[in-house]
Amino acid sequence: GENVEQHPSTLSVQEGDSAVIKCTYSDSASNYFPWYKQELGKGPQLIIDIRSNVGEKKDQRIAVTLNKTAKHFSLHITETQPEDSAVYFCAAPNYGGSQGNLIFGKGTKLSVKP
Amino acid sequence: IAGITQAPTSQILAAGRRMTLRCTQDMRHNAMYWYRQDLGLGLRLIHYSNTAGTTGKGEVPDGYSVSRANTDDFPLTLASAVPSQTSVYFCASSDKSSPYNEQFFGPGTRLTVL
Repeated sequence: GENVEQHPSTLSVQEGDSAVIKCTYSDSASNYFPWYKQELGKGPQLIIDIRSNVGEKKDQRIAVTLNKTAKHFSLHITETQPEDSAVYFCAAPNYGGSQGNLIFGKGTKLSVKP
Repeated sequence: IAGITQAPTSQILAAGRRMTLRCTQDMRHNAMYWYRQDLGLGLRLIHYSNTAGTTGKGEVPDGYSVSRANTDDFPLTLASAVPSQTSVYFCASSDKSSPYNEQFFGPGTRLTVL
């Protein structure tokens, strides 16, 4: 089945700096890679995703890049703001295990210092 | 639009007691999921249901059971709670007819088993 590794587990940046979170996956059949943001006391919410037919996708200050050969994908946040402070999860579908259900990374706690 | 609701918000439970966590969605999604979130372990899938009347086991199903009598409701039952089931539980739903399986999460239930 799919295995998703996420790094780093914690990340602290100054407001205005960039933040990068990286994930690797094991199943070459995976074709969809979402990123979720979880604010304190809330459930995770999808912020951006990328499909295997593209290498990069941008949405304002966030972007995701995908390297299918190396089986890794990354979340990039530019011009970070205090409201970006949250836990971020990457995920990939587990086609070998549970019918394409998502396997999540262990999460990255991002702190943006004013 | 409510999306997904979970009840209770939090609960303290004595070991050995039976407990049902409730989850209801109003998006008419065919698929629903239960995750547990533990510090350092991320989100782990407990059980899922791809459509009303069917259920499947996720990564960590032991000690939990689910039912899916209709599209909207997906209760999670702990038959005899143990302290290791202390966690935050999230219910989610998705439109499984889409190949890209965006999941929508509820606000979570914080469960403490003493």
